[in-house]
Amino acid sequence: RKEVEQDPGPFNVPEGATVAFNCTYSNSASQSFFWYRQDCRKEPKLLMSVYSSGNEDGRFTAQLNRASQYISLLIRDSKLSDSATYLCVVKGTGGYQKVTFGIGTKLQVIP
Amino acid sequence: GAGVSQSPRYKVAKRGQDVALRCDPISGHVSLFWYQQALGQGPEFLTYFQNEAQLDKSGLPSDRFFAERPEGSVSTLKIQRTQQEDSAVYLCASSLAGSPRGNTIYFGEGSWLTVV
Repeated sequence: RKEVEQDPGPFNVPEGATVAFNCTYSNSASQSFFWYRQDCRKEPKLLMSVYSSGNEDGRFTAQLNRASQYISLLIRDSKLSDSATYLCVVKGTGGYQKVTFGIGTKLQVIP
Repeated sequence: GAGVSQSPRYKVAKRGQDVALRCDPISGHVSLFWYQQALGQGPEFLTYFQNEAQLDKSGLPSDRFFAERPEGSVSTLKIQRTQQEDSAVYLCASSLAGSPRGNTIYFGEGSWLTVV
């Protein structure tokens, strides 16, 4: 089983739609969780951190479920500019916090 | 600059050639990571440094891959006797570490390696 699993998609959604991605992780001791966005042929960039209480940033909402070991990203009112690959990132614990990426979920927002 | 800087941005190597990829992390960042990203895949972990110490090199795919960070700042990833399967983007990332705010990982633009 991979340490971090994501559905690679692609998710093709119309403008204005709401779309949700999930990601599961295998290490129950993982401490920190993030969503990164990666545009084609560009480096990953931090979209948002994910907190146990859930957090929201504009149209984006991230949730963490430690019991079931998954995190989610919800995008409301999708824009064309949201088209990208969304990478789930899990950071370990202890003195060395290994950072592991999922394969990424590709989102294509259609006019 | 303020971000993670990588060079060269693009490299075409003949099979069997040695290559060296450089990463200049954000000043003061303790943690430095190297990742390999093949087309259509997520970044795959290669190795991790905390200052000059290489704490994890479990992701290096073979003994042809070698990384160093001798003074705890700039890092070099060296690939000896390159093979076609080494063709990928090599991403370097750094983070401050040691605090919740230090958790954010910043990436360089990557070094695109093509082995022909």
